[in-house]
Amino acid sequence: ETGVTQTPRHLVMGMTNKKSLKCEQHLGHNAMYWYKQSAKKPLELMFVYSLEERVENNSVPSRFSPECPNSSHLFLHLHTLQPEDSALYLCASSQDRSPNTEAFFGQGTRLTVV
Amino acid sequence: SQKIEQNSEALNIQEGKTATLTCNYTNYSPAYLQWYRQDPGRGPVFLLLIRENEKEKRKERLKVTFDTTLKQSLFHITASQPADSATYLCALTGTTSGTYKYIFGTGTRLKVLA
Repeated sequence: ETGVTQTPRHLVMGMTNKKSLKCEQHLGHNAMYWYKQSAKKPLELMFVYSLEERVENNSVPSRFSPECPNSSHLFLHLHTLQPEDSALYLCASSQDRSPNTEAFFGQGTRLTVV
Repeated sequence: SQKIEQNSEALNIQEGKTATLTCNYTNYSPAYLQWYRQDPGRGPVFLLLIRENEKEKRKERLKVTFDTTLKQSLFHITASQPADSATYLCALTGTTSGTYKYIFGTGTRLKVLA
């Protein structure tokens, strides 16, 4: 285990539903990330939080809404998603945002939008 | 825009041989290059990081090279074992105009045959 826990592991939701993904780390890290991984595509960085402040939002549609209530927890709120949003959503954390720090990933949430 | 190519989508090799995976990049001068391993249904796990001024880095059976002139990194697994079968991702990290960059490739799926 990497020390980053994501729940749920699997989620099936309708296009009109509202759901949330949860990520938790107890590594004492100051930076947390949401990534989207689709088949045959590179990991896409969605959001970056540093010291609980959102520092990057990479042109992600507003139907994805992140929340970082404290340095150990990160949420991704989902509403009115589209079938093309089906993917593996990965949370990661790192000591800080320095480019020479390794990222610790959770196991991901496999999301299916029907 | 920055681009990473991992030139083989899949690679099959015989147990005991050396596996060599390639990561090429364009339109970017990263300060660091990282390699991750990802097993099916799981998040990536960090393996090695190499700096732009390092030519080579080793860790047990793993070796990474970084050629900033060719804009290429090679990742070697010596004496490969079936347990090494996984997808391997390279990631470029650095800063551009004060913005942190963390760019992943699509990965190479390695299968080591017994």
